[in-house]
Amino acid sequence: EDQVTQSPEALRLQEGESSSLNCSYTVSGLRGLFWYRQDPGKGPEFLFTLYSAGEEKEKERLKATLTKKESFLHITAPKPEDSATYLCAVQAVGGFKTIFGAGTRLFVKA
Amino acid sequence: DGGITQSPKYLFRKEGQNVTLSCEQNLNHDAMYWYRQDPGQGLRLIYYSQIVNDFQKGDIAEGYSVSREKKESFPLTVTSAQKNPTAFYLCASKKGPFYEQYFGPGTRLTVT
Repeated sequence: EDQVTQSPEALRLQEGESSSLNCSYTVSGLRGLFWYRQDPGKGPEFLFTLYSAGEEKEKERLKATLTKKESFLHITAPKPEDSATYLCAVQAVGGFKTIFGAGTRLFVKA
Repeated sequence: DGGITQSPKYLFRKEGQNVTLSCEQNLNHDAMYWYRQDPGQGLRLIYYSQIVNDFQKGDIAEGYSVSREKKESFPLTVTSAQKNPTAFYLCASKKGPFYEQYFGPGTRLTVT
């Protein structure tokens, strides 16, 4: 069964304290791994797509990486405005159904 | 500006009433989706549509119905058969099979 597990469930950081969020997946033929940011009461905002192991994408303080079994979202020198829930999702062969993880809630304190 | 709109933002209904949530997109995307999000849980797929006049059940379709008469629109009806309808509902669309999804702002439905 296709599955996505994110850890930790919640992460509390001080401003400037770098860290990583983990997304482990099992899927029959990965066709894409996606990262989203979701603020409370709003729809998820697309961040990155990764398609193959070894691929990396960067945007401001965020960097996403992909291996054959997991993806990491690295946050460098976070600011309070980076506080949000970060969702990981995978697309399997077939291409239309996406499986989402439960998310990691990130809190960055000034 | 291209995007996805959902209305209303908040919706209150009495138990036993059907309610329809609106989703419209002007991104010219073929595929559209409805998800349900409950506190502490990931997004769960209710229904999806790959093209006009065609849709498939997702993982939790019981108690819900949809239609796809136009490319831009994919309304979701929450029927009285849905046992626990209070939730945050998200609509999404995407360009094609292996592209990312784009989400609307969501509708928070409360049934009492």
